[in-house]
Amino acid sequence: DAKTTQPTSMDCAEGRAANLPCNHSTISGNEYVYWYRQIHSQGPQYIIHGLKNNETNEMASLIITEDRKSSTLILPHATLRDTAVYYCIVRDQGKAAGNKLTFGGGTRVLVKP
Amino acid sequence: KAGVTQTPRYLIKTRGQQVTLSCSPISGHRSVSWYQQTPGQGLQFLFEYFSETQRNKGNFPGRFSGRQFSNSRSEMNVSTLELGDSALYLCASSVDRYTEAFFGQGTRLTVV
Repeated sequence: DAKTTQPTSMDCAEGRAANLPCNHSTISGNEYVYWYRQIHSQGPQYIIHGLKNNETNEMASLIITEDRKSSTLILPHATLRDTAVYYCIVRDQGKAAGNKLTFGGGTRVLVKP
Repeated sequence: KAGVTQTPRYLIKTRGQQVTLSCSPISGHRSVSWYQQTPGQGLQFLFEYFSETQRNKGNFPGRFSGRQFSNSRSEMNVSTLELGDSALYLCASSVDRYTEAFFGQGTRLTVV
């Protein structure tokens, strides 16, 4: 799977949009971008994923650049409960890779009042 | 719909013992994966099961093993426990091998 690079940490203000960047310059054509978050001592929570089109669900929006070398997760109105470590993962959904996720260090997001 | 259920939530074992952890996937999910999380190494993939067969394995010693039953429930076993096996063990399930995975709350294992 392609490697991802994320900032180690970032702060954002409650009620404002939080924009979390991720670089994945070696991503290949059949690799998807996945985002998970992990609130302290809990299991990771699936947020969203996409291949090349922008995606939106009730939790967040995922913007993938046209060349697919980077993406941004957007939390539209951050709340204190969004404080967590956010993981950007590139996942090959081919037969060999199957259901294996390779986690990096993630971005520690602190939402401040 | 119930989420992924892992039991027990907490466990304390002595070095040299063995331990079995259990994971019940979301109803209808047939793929189960296991991960180990430690402060030093982060989240690391252990293995993946689908249709009662191990499909993928991470870089862990043979002391770590698992299995999946016909109802998709899965267990992982760690034999001859070492202090370094202290970790949060997470199970994730998905409908099949190619869809998003949902994690349980984990089992926190402490080896003393």
